[in-house]
Amino acid sequence: ETGVTQTPRHLVMGMTNKKSLKCEQHLGHNAMYWYKQSAKKPLELMFVYNFKEQTENNSVPSRFSPECPNSSHLFLHLHTLQPEDSALYLCASSQDPWTRETQYFGPGTRLLVL
Amino acid sequence: GENVEQHPSTLSVQEGDSAVIKCTYSDSASNYFPWYKQELGKGPQLIIDIRSNVGEKKDQRIAVTLNKTAKHFSLHITETQPEDSAVYFCAASIDTGRRALTFGSGTRLQVQP
Repeated sequence: ETGVTQTPRHLVMGMTNKKSLKCEQHLGHNAMYWYKQSAKKPLELMFVYNFKEQTENNSVPSRFSPECPNSSHLFLHLHTLQPEDSALYLCASSQDPWTRETQYFGPGTRLLVL
Repeated sequence: GENVEQHPSTLSVQEGDSAVIKCTYSDSASNYFPWYKQELGKGPQLIIDIRSNVGEKKDQRIAVTLNKTAKHFSLHITETQPEDSAVYFCAASIDTGRRALTFGSGTRLQVQP
C-alpha cells in the first residue's frame, strides 16, 4: 500500500453525532491533506497542513474541524453534519507542499450521514 | 484559479485496444501534470506525471503527452488489460509555491475481456 492509513474505513452517523476520522502516514512526509470525493465531482481539497500548521482552508464549513498534532497524524473532527456531507474522505501526504513532490493517498473513509 | 476539464467521463474498450483520456487546463502557469488511478475501494495512486519542460513521457504501456500551447494533456494506455479498469484522474498545479493539485472529474475506464 501507499504508507497512508485511514480509520475507520466506513462510518455511518446521524446529523447530531460527533465523530472523528484519523489518518496516519508512515512515509516521513511533512505535508498532509484532506480531500472530499463525491460522486461525479472532482476531488475537492479541504485542508492543507505543512509541518503541523494549517496552510490552506478551502472555505470548508466549520462543522469540519481538522487537527494535526504532528507531521504523521491528521484528524478530521465531524459534528452536526448534513446528508450532503456524505462522501469519501481521502487523506494524502507529500514531502512538502511547496515543491513537485507527489501526493500519496490513503484508502479513504466512506461516510454516510443520515 | 485553475480549472481542469477531463473527457470522456466513461470509456469502454476491448482488451488489447488502446485508451486515450484527455484533459484541458486553464492556468497557463501550471507546469506539473500527474495522472492518478483509483481502483474500487482504494485511494488514488500516481501512475505517471509530466512536467512542462517535456512534451511526452512513457512508462511501459502508459504514456502522457502535453501541449502547452493548447493547454491540454492526454493519457494513453496501450494493449489494455482487464486490470486497467479503474477511474483515472488528471490534475494540474504549479510545482512551486502554495498551489495544490486541481483535479479533473475522472474517467471510468472499463476494459472488456
